[in-house]
Amino acid sequence: RKEVEQDPGPFNVPEGATVAFNCTYSNSASQSFFWYRQDCRKEPKLLMSVYSSGNEDGRFTAQLNRASQYISLLIRDSKLSDSATYLCVVALNYGGSQGNLIFGKGTKLSVKP
Amino acid sequence: EAGVTQSPTHLIKTRGQQATLRCSPISGHTSVYWYQQALGLGLQFLLWYDEGEERNRGNFPPRFSGRQFPNYSSELNVNALELEDSALYLCASSPDSNQPQHFGDGTRLSIL
Repeated sequence: RKEVEQDPGPFNVPEGATVAFNCTYSNSASQSFFWYRQDCRKEPKLLMSVYSSGNEDGRFTAQLNRASQYISLLIRDSKLSDSATYLCVVALNYGGSQGNLIFGKGTKLSVKP
Repeated sequence: EAGVTQSPTHLIKTRGQQATLRCSPISGHTSVYWYQQALGLGLQFLLWYDEGEERNRGNFPPRFSGRQFPNYSSELNVNALELEDSALYLCASSPDSNQPQHFGDGTRLSIL
């Protein structure tokens, strides 16, 4: 089983749509959780950290369910500029430190006019 | 504030050669991470350095090695290059190992 699994995508949605991405992770020792965004042939950029209480940043809402080992990202009122690949990322605990990141393969989102 | 910088942008080598990739972290960041992004495989963790020490390495053969210098910059060395080493190599840094990582633009390594 892969350490981080995501919806394979691609997701093709019209502008204004709400889109949800799901992700599961296999290692219960995972300590930190993130969503990164990667544009074509560019470096990944941190979109938001994910907390157990859930967190929101504008049109983006992230949720974490530790019991189910499940992470989600909701994008409301999608914009053309949201088109990118969304990477679900977890970090394990190495002696109290966050350590290196483990990436899902990513879900490609394409927002159409 | 300057971001993570990597050099060179592109590197073309032939099988059996050796490659050296360089990374300068964001000022004040002490942790440096290396990742490989090969076509169709997603980002794979290579190496993690913190305060000059190697903290962890991913599932890669020993011909992948690196180091971190006193100024926290880092080098990734790949010996005996193979065709499947062709990939984008990304460096990331964080203020310490408990903070989010920020990525450089990457070095695209092509093996002919």
